[in-house]
Amino acid sequence: SAVISQKPSRDICQRGTSLTIQCQVDSQVTMMFWYRQQPGQSLTLIATANQGSEATYESGFVIDKFPISRPNLTFSTLTVSNLSPEDSSIYLCSAPVSDEQYFGPGTRLTVT
Amino acid sequence: DQQVKQNSPSLSVQEGRISILNCDYTNSMFDYFLWYKKYPAEGPTFLISISSIKDKNEDGRFTVFLNKSAKHLSLHIVPSQPGDSAVYFCAAFGSSGGSNYKLTFGKGTLLTVNP
Repeated sequence: SAVISQKPSRDICQRGTSLTIQCQVDSQVTMMFWYRQQPGQSLTLIATANQGSEATYESGFVIDKFPISRPNLTFSTLTVSNLSPEDSSIYLCSAPVSDEQYFGPGTRLTVT
Repeated sequence: DQQVKQNSPSLSVQEGRISILNCDYTNSMFDYFLWYKKYPAEGPTFLISISSIKDKNEDGRFTVFLNKSAKHLSLHIVPSQPGDSAVYFCAAFGSSGGSNYKLTFGKGTLLTVNP
């Protein structure tokens, strides 16, 4: 099994500011994924972060809005930039370990 | 375009009875299906999976059935327990429209098991 932690667990941010979410995995993983769950919606993949290369973004998500870092095999950050109320969501990081997909506890972001 | 659909946002059952959660998908390229359980303030946790080459997988109280021709899968929980109360997400691995092989989720079904 694997343990994935995220910081912060929740935050309330002002419109126009940015929030950086950290994700730590207790084992080395090649791929890490960032998801968003807006209220009443399904989990939506934002991007795939591979160590040593640029993140791959899904349709509707761009690097300027959601810059991602992946400095090593256990850590990644997702920044949500220029926040608007529509960014209020739960953000989750995820990583496959031994053919299973593990998720962090999520970061609940509220933008006022 | 929602490729994985959970049409029931909520389900309520009595303790000891069977819970049946349903999921439909539209993408025939999906080849691996999973169910996740999510408690409030926690991330989803893996529950059970099934490959597209099978039609049934059982793990204790949990059984997943896959009907490929109908593009439908279901999760059966027998007997249901109050601790099973959570949101259940159906998810599928596959590629579509030239996109990467990835996991696509349904919106989830809130299961409430009443004592």
